[in-house]
Amino acid sequence: GENVEQHPSTLSVQEGDSAVIKCTYSDSASNYFPWYKQELGKRPQLIIDIRSNVGEKKDQRIAVTLNKTAKHFSLHITETQPEDSAVYFCAASSGGRTGANNLFFGTGTRLTVIP
Amino acid sequence: NAGVMQNPRHLVRRRGQEARLRCSPMKGHSHVYWYRQLPEEGLKFMVYLQKENIIDESGMPKERFSAEFPKEGPSILRIQQVVRGDSAAYFCASSTGSGNTEAFFGQGTRLTVV
Repeated sequence: GENVEQHPSTLSVQEGDSAVIKCTYSDSASNYFPWYKQELGKRPQLIIDIRSNVGEKKDQRIAVTLNKTAKHFSLHITETQPEDSAVYFCAASSGGRTGANNLFFGTGTRLTVIP
Repeated sequence: NAGVMQNPRHLVRRRGQEARLRCSPMKGHSHVYWYRQLPEEGLKFMVYLQKENIIDESGMPKERFSAEFPKEGPSILRIQQVVRGDSAAYFCASSTGSGNTEAFFGQGTRLTVV
């Protein structure tokens, strides 16, 4: 199956600074790349996703970029706030026989925003 | 729409017992995915099911673990003869499966084997 690598595993930034998390994937057939945020003891929740027909997508302070040639994608959070502190997971969809998305996740990045 | 429902939220089993974890997908979703999350670790894919079919079980341990998604009722992840290493949070997600659509996660079941 798909192999997704994520870096860094931990990231600390000052409030107001930007945070960047990077992921690479192995399956060139993957075409859907969501990012999930997981707060302590809670379920993962989708914060943004990108499909392979676009290179960048932005939603307020969050943006994601995709480079299909290099097989990597990144999450950018600007003007970070303490409530952004959580574990962030990238994922890639390997497609599957029916074209549906069984997601393979990176190992997560624990982001800490220091007030 | 009640969202993805998992039960129980917490489950304690003694070594050697069986654990049954249930997942009811969101209304209109026919695709279910199970993930295991060890403390301080990521989400590891276990199995992907549609109604009455296992599509991908490449992440399932070869022994003691099984999953089903019957025509009626929730998806069940079954762990036989549990061992301490099975202690983890088990998350279920569901999607419509048509194209690459968002997967919604349940609250998870935290299994503790004592």
